[in-house]
Amino acid sequence: DAGVTQSPTHLIKTRGQQVTLRCSPKSGHDTVSWYQQALGQGPQFIFQYYEEEERQRGNFPDRFSGHQFPNYSSELNVNALLLGDSALYLCASSLVLGTGFAGNTIYFGEGSWLTVV
Amino acid sequence: GDSVTQMEGPVTLSEEAFLTINCTYTATGYPSLFWYVQYPGEGLQLLLKATKADDKGSNKGFEATYRKETTSFHLEKGSVQVSDSAVYFCALSFNKFYFGSGTKLNVKP
Repeated sequence: DAGVTQSPTHLIKTRGQQVTLRCSPKSGHDTVSWYQQALGQGPQFIFQYYEEEERQRGNFPDRFSGHQFPNYSSELNVNALLLGDSALYLCASSLVLGTGFAGNTIYFGEGSWLTVV
Repeated sequence: GDSVTQMEGPVTLSEEAFLTINCTYTATGYPSLFWYVQYPGEGLQLLLKATKADDKGSNKGFEATYRKETTSFHLEKGSVQVSDSAVYFCALSFNKFYFGSGTKLNVKP
């Protein structure tokens, strides 16, 4: 049973550049969320995709955007990179149950380490 | 707003010692509560969960009870092992997850 997979594992970008991170959800899952984890901190919610639409969004600027494809995989795009965007970006997947998103367990990938220089 | 507060680490224990990591939450309703664990260089793994008041989640010797009256979900283990060394995150969820800042556990042989 394939878990959540993310790519690339590590990458280095320059300030002002753009980056795209990719995520394939756990087999059978239809919902993908993205989190930013700064060093020594807990993950912070960026946004959630379900049925190819952004369903919820955290406190992140419009420079952060995403997409979900018909096969449920997802991309996170960050434009105009800042030094402060350096972090571990985690993708998490879940399955929407009859009650909606509330209380569903999310399963994380191993993350993409982004360093902005 | 909704939030989670965890005890600050690091917590250093000897093998076979008793572990408690405190977690309290603030929420407008009754969220589901989770503990996730992160080993070095890895993503987060679900450790246990509880979806309603008085539920006890348990896994691999760890347990936590959803206490509505004290808005807490403290993580406990009776006898820790060196392999339990990791960072532990408490989280609450309504439609999205809110994580605490994590508590690093070091277990010495």
